[in-house]
Amino acid sequence: DTGVSQNPRHKITKRGQNVTFRCDPISEHNRLYWYRQTLGQGPEFLTYFQNEAQLEKSRLLSDRFSAERPKGSFSTLEIQRTEQGDSAMYLCASSQRLAGGAETQYFGPGTRLLVL
Amino acid sequence: AQSVTQLGSHVSVSEGALVLLRCNYSSSVPPYLFWYVQYPNQGLQLLLKYTSAATLVKGINGFEAEFKKSETSFHLTKPSAHMSDAAEYFCAVGGNSGGSNYKLTFGKGTLLTVNP
Repeated sequence: DTGVSQNPRHKITKRGQNVTFRCDPISEHNRLYWYRQTLGQGPEFLTYFQNEAQLEKSRLLSDRFSAERPKGSFSTLEIQRTEQGDSAMYLCASSQRLAGGAETQYFGPGTRLLVL
Repeated sequence: AQSVTQLGSHVSVSEGALVLLRCNYSSSVPPYLFWYVQYPNQGLQLLLKYTSAATLVKGINGFEAEFKKSETSFHLTKPSAHMSDAAEYFCAVGGNSGGSNYKLTFGKGTLLTVNP
């Protein structure tokens, strides 16, 4: 169990540029989540996948955001035409679905985005 | 809809003193409840989780939490604070889809400071 990894750890970009983040979940986990955390706030749910299927997207996820999980393994989160309001920590988590149980989500270290 | 309220954005204790971090939740279905800890520039680490098996839940690093349905609370305690406990703590409630918790709704967090 090598844990959830995220790359890059930090990203500075100029307003209007596109950025892409990658998340590698724990290998046997079939669920993958993206959250966004702004300063002084708790993480907020963005979207999640079960295997390769994206099952829910938050209203926070505008049409400038897109997430994929090809082949049900790693996931990417792309933000197009970044805005200063997109500056945040983007957290990825993975879990193994448990029928009728409280699965544990394991979080990666996050990608901190700063939009200038 | 589910929500979490963490009372006190900042709690300061002396080393060796009792730690009490408060969390109240709102949920229309039997909740799954979690406490996570976040150290600076790191992701979230699970401390403990409530899954309806027992109302008093013991976690890592000497922390425990008690689920009180009548008070809709899930407060986190530790009998004796250690300097290494200084971090931000998040309470979260799990959604309920087909019996498993999938997305988490977090509180705003409580920053714990431990004074020598």
